[in-house]
Amino acid sequence: KQEVTQIPAALSVPEGENLVLNCSFTDSAIYNLQWFRQDPGKGLTSLLLIQSSQREQTSGRLNASLDKSSGRSTLYIAASQPGDSATYLCAVRLNNFNKFYFGSGTKLNVKP
Amino acid sequence: DGGITQSPKYLFRKEGQNVTLSCEQNLNHDAMYWYRQDPGQGLRLIYYSQIVNDFQKGDIAEGYSVSREKKESFPLTVTSAQKNPTAFYLCASSARGAGDTQYFGPGTRLTVL
Repeated sequence: KQEVTQIPAALSVPEGENLVLNCSFTDSAIYNLQWFRQDPGKGLTSLLLIQSSQREQTSGRLNASLDKSSGRSTLYIAASQPGDSATYLCAVRLNNFNKFYFGSGTKLNVKP
Repeated sequence: DGGITQSPKYLFRKEGQNVTLSCEQNLNHDAMYWYRQDPGQGLRLIYYSQIVNDFQKGDIAEGYSVSREKKESFPLTVTSAQKNPTAFYLCASSARGAGDTQYFGPGTRLTVL
């Protein structure tokens, strides 16, 4: 069974700091990996998706990398802002199988 | 305006009652999913469906039931057999390709009184 772990569980940083969120998974036979953002009491919003053949994806101040061989992905947030405060979750999708496994998330607080 | 809708946003249930949560999508996605989220935890898969008239149990299916009679709809029934149903329930859908993202509805918060 695929296990997905996110470290740290919570993170508090001052505004303007660059930061890295980590995601690790046990089975490297993944189809893709997605990073999501969740605001309190809301659904999940997709931030970035990396296919298994890709190494990284970028969107604005966000950059996600994927290293299948080591079972790791990182989400890099540049110049953090208070509006970035949310919970960030990663999810992996298994090869040829329409099933996703989620980590428990990293709760980010960016202080003004 | 494409997306996933869930209703109701808040639902209160008395012990011993069955309740049904609605999920509708107009994204033309084949696959649909139901997840449960408890405070401070990630999402746990309840049921998923890859095609109309077919669905599979996820990791925590006991006490829940689903149907997939139409491509657009995937309702979840929380039965009285579910011992601890108070949680936040999220519905999602996706296409099949490796580049296809999973889209989520806004969620339903179920509280047992």
